[in-house]
Amino acid sequence: EAGVTQFPSHSVIEKGQTVTLRCDPISGHDNLYWYRRVMGKEIKFLLHFVKESKQDESGMPNNRFLAERTGGTYSTLKVQPAELEDSGVYFCASSTHTGGAGNSPLHFGNGTRLTVT
Amino acid sequence: AQSVAQPEDQVNVAEGNPLTVKCTYSVSGNPYLFWYVQYPNRGLQFLLKYITGDNLVKGSYGFEAEFNKSQTSFHLKKPSALVSDSALYFCAVRDGTGGFKTIFGAGTRLFVKA
Repeated sequence: EAGVTQFPSHSVIEKGQTVTLRCDPISGHDNLYWYRRVMGKEIKFLLHFVKESKQDESGMPNNRFLAERTGGTYSTLKVQPAELEDSGVYFCASSTHTGGAGNSPLHFGNGTRLTVT
Repeated sequence: AQSVAQPEDQVNVAEGNPLTVKCTYSVSGNPYLFWYVQYPNRGLQFLLKYITGDNLVKGSYGFEAEFNKSQTSFHLKKPSALVSDSALYFCAVRDGTGGFKTIFGAGTRLFVKA
């Protein structure tokens, strides 16, 4: 099966610009997650979709970040306007839904390395 | 609130020696515990998980981990390290009683010397 794909792999933008990251999960995976890792620190949870609905967006840092999942398939994460502290690696992950709290592992994409200058 | 601590930024071990990468966790409900590995410029790959049952779980590439409820630990182990095991390892926890959010530690870099 095809894995989780993310685009672009790298993005360098100036402060104040807009960037949109895309994630295509594994086909049939209802759960889609966005995470961010700032260099050397923990992989921080941003938000969780179940199909097209936002299940948990408690990790979104502020209203400059907007995530969507049209039709419950691919997802986009837009940062507008970008700030220096938004730099980091943004990971997307997907998993199946097994009912209850879910014990399925996450399948990760290779990440998008965002640099804001 | 859930949290994961990986107390070592880096672990160095000689090839052929046993390795341990430490992890402690905090979660209000039943812990679902995971280990992931990341190779350069790649995403995280699932290694193993503990959900319930035997405290010693076995995973990919000869890795295993031991769940210790009293010490709230889930250390990753391998009896004989390979140079190819050199990578970044992440411990993660999910509250099995009611959530889908997986919380990750900061990662431990494993360096295996030939």
